[in-house]
Amino acid sequence: AQSVTQLGSHVSVSEGALVLLRCNYSSSVPPYLFWYVQYPNQGLQLLLKYTTGATLVKGINGFEAEFKKSETSFHLTKPSAHMSDAAEYFCAVSDRGTSYDKVIFGPGTSLSVIP
Amino acid sequence: NAGVTQTPKFRILKIGQSMTLQCTQDMNHNYMYWYRQDPGMGLKLIYYSVGAGITDKGEVPNGYNVSRSTTEDFPLRLELAAPSQTSVYFCASSYSKGLYEQYFGPGTRLTVT
Repeated sequence: AQSVTQLGSHVSVSEGALVLLRCNYSSSVPPYLFWYVQYPNQGLQLLLKYTTGATLVKGINGFEAEFKKSETSFHLTKPSAHMSDAAEYFCAVSDRGTSYDKVIFGPGTSLSVIP
Repeated sequence: NAGVTQTPKFRILKIGQSMTLQCTQDMNHNYMYWYRQDPGMGLKLIYYSVGAGITDKGEVPNGYNVSRSTTEDFPLRLELAAPSQTSVYFCASSYSKGLYEQYFGPGTRLTVT
């Protein structure tokens, strides 16, 4: 079955520093890939997604992610962290095993930004 | 557009009670989902629907039931509530599957004591 791993349940960065959140998936066939963000006491909202084509995907709020097939990875980055980036981040894949009916979510990474 | 709305926002149930969590979307989406979120566990799929009248089980369906009589509504029924059902519940919808993103409601925080 498809699975998603996110290395590091908690990540802390200083304001202005690089943000790197890691995501790896298990499928040998490239799935559709998503990053969602969840602010406190809110639902999830889409940051960015990879479907086909260019492997570097740009999203909202200055985030971007690069799909690397050889590494089965889809890491999320932002060059300069802002206090407002403090949130929970979820990587997700659209599950080819269920003909894409379901989306598999990773366990999440909580990002703290230190002033 | 309101997007995906959920009611109630909070609820406390006693063990053995039942309740229905309401979910409505106004985007004419075919796909709808119910997830539960427990700390450090990500989101677990409870049930999903690919259209009115069609529902299917997700990863953790035991203790829950759903129905989908209209495109807009996808209520989640908890029968005989148990402490293990204490969680935050999210409803989501998407236009279709695969490359289409999901839109989430604000969640319902449920405590069973």
